Amino acid sequence: GAVVSQHPSRVICKSGTSVKIECRSLDFQATTMFWYRQFPKKSLMLMATSNEGSKATYEQGVEKDKFLINHASLTLSTLTVTSAHPEDSSFYICSAQLAATLPYEQYFGPGTRLTVT
Amino acid sequence: GEDVEQSLFLSVREGDSSVINCTYTDSSSTYLYWYKQEPGAGLQLLTYIFSNMDMKQDQRLTVLLNKKDKHLSLRIADTQTGDSAIYFCAESMYNTDKLIFGTGTRLQVFP
Repeated sequence: GAVVSQHPSRVICKSGTSVKIECRSLDFQATTMFWYRQFPKKSLMLMATSNEGSKATYEQGVEKDKFLINHASLTLSTLTVTSAHPEDSSFYICSAQLAATLPYEQYFGPGTRLTVT
Repeated sequence: GEDVEQSLFLSVREGDSSVINCTYTDSSSTYLYWYKQEPGAGLQLLTYIFSNMDMKQDQRLTVLLNKKDKHLSLRIADTQTGDSAIYFCAESMYNTDKLIFGTGTRLQVFP
């Protein structure tokens, strides 16, 4: 149980275009999902916390107008990278929180590799 | 502040024990976690420890926590080639769901 999927797994887009990444909790409901960015051989950097039915909470230094997050249902959160540039190329990972018992475990998706040309 | 450090690389022979270390700076963390990431994949939770414990054992995994020194370690007994991956420690802060991840340790197991 507690499976999280991401789509697409890999995407290449041209500079200036937008790309949407989906994160789905397949067998549980998640009121809270998280979006991370991972640079090569680096740790995961939390970008934002996505809450179902409300606005996302962005970490310091993350542009909310560039990285649009929508959490419209209890099983789906989307991250849209708008007007993508080559420096946005990265591995984006989402997680969904299972708030059943403490600690509230985060289950991670397999990641999406974005390449902006 | 929130700063979690790990050594970058560890190489061990198959069958030996591996010890991966992690230091953190924020004493208000409530849970500390170990995650495993295989190439091109997401993170898999291996184990976690509550901050008022000093040890937890789960099959081949032993977690040691020294809260005074803010030091966390993961020991993998009888390390196998399938254990080769990047290991991240992470801490969750009091009264928040956020996880702060360490820099990751790449474990390489050779025959």
